[in-house]
Amino acid sequence: DTAVSQTPKYLVTQMGNDKSIKCEQNLGHDTMYWYKQDSKKFLKIMFSYNNKELIINETVPNRFSPKSPDKAHLNLHINSLELGDSAVYFCASSQVLASGETQYFGPGTRLLVL
Amino acid sequence: DQQVKQNSPSLSVQEGRISILNCDYTNSMFDYFLWYKKYPAEGPTFLISISSIKDKNEDGRFTVFLNKSAKHLSLHIVPSQPGDSAVYFCAASAITGFQKLVFGTGTRLLVSP
Repeated sequence: DTAVSQTPKYLVTQMGNDKSIKCEQNLGHDTMYWYKQDSKKFLKIMFSYNNKELIINETVPNRFSPKSPDKAHLNLHINSLELGDSAVYFCASSQVLASGETQYFGPGTRLLVL
Repeated sequence: DQQVKQNSPSLSVQEGRISILNCDYTNSMFDYFLWYKKYPAEGPTFLISISSIKDKNEDGRFTVFLNKSAKHLSLHIVPSQPGDSAVYFCAASAITGFQKLVFGTGTRLLVSP
């Protein structure tokens, strides 16, 4: 059973389109995250949610909107996609929101904007 | 501003030898350090961690050393195995940082038979 799953795995789309990436965790964790890994391989946090409440919102364009319908799901919606949005997006979860808690990552969604 | 740095993009080691991966950080507020391992087309997988109150943590073939005064940590893998070939990310978090992990850019380890 996959602990943290993401759909789709690959996403190729045109500039200007709107797309969503879904994430689900079956670990019973309270906290979920979205990370972006760009072409230079920097893995950088975008958002974190704890019990469906937004906790961390890094400097991310407001074209990116996370939504957490319940503790097990954290989706990422991206409006008006731009070339620079091409990256690998990783979802992660941790038991609680505390320093030192291990985060479990999904397999990533490879987004290519043409 | 890169707060966590892995200055070696790649490392090649022979099977059975020791692999040493290094990581430097700049933020003195970091109090927890983790190493993640990543295979191609997969997400990072937690490997080992260390709290700032310790200077060493060991788990089987993996040992992490922390030198707070130098703001430096290292991951030792002994003995190295071909299955250890992957990208290793160092990450750090601060107790005041809401568990925000700050990652290095990774070191690609290749262990040859």
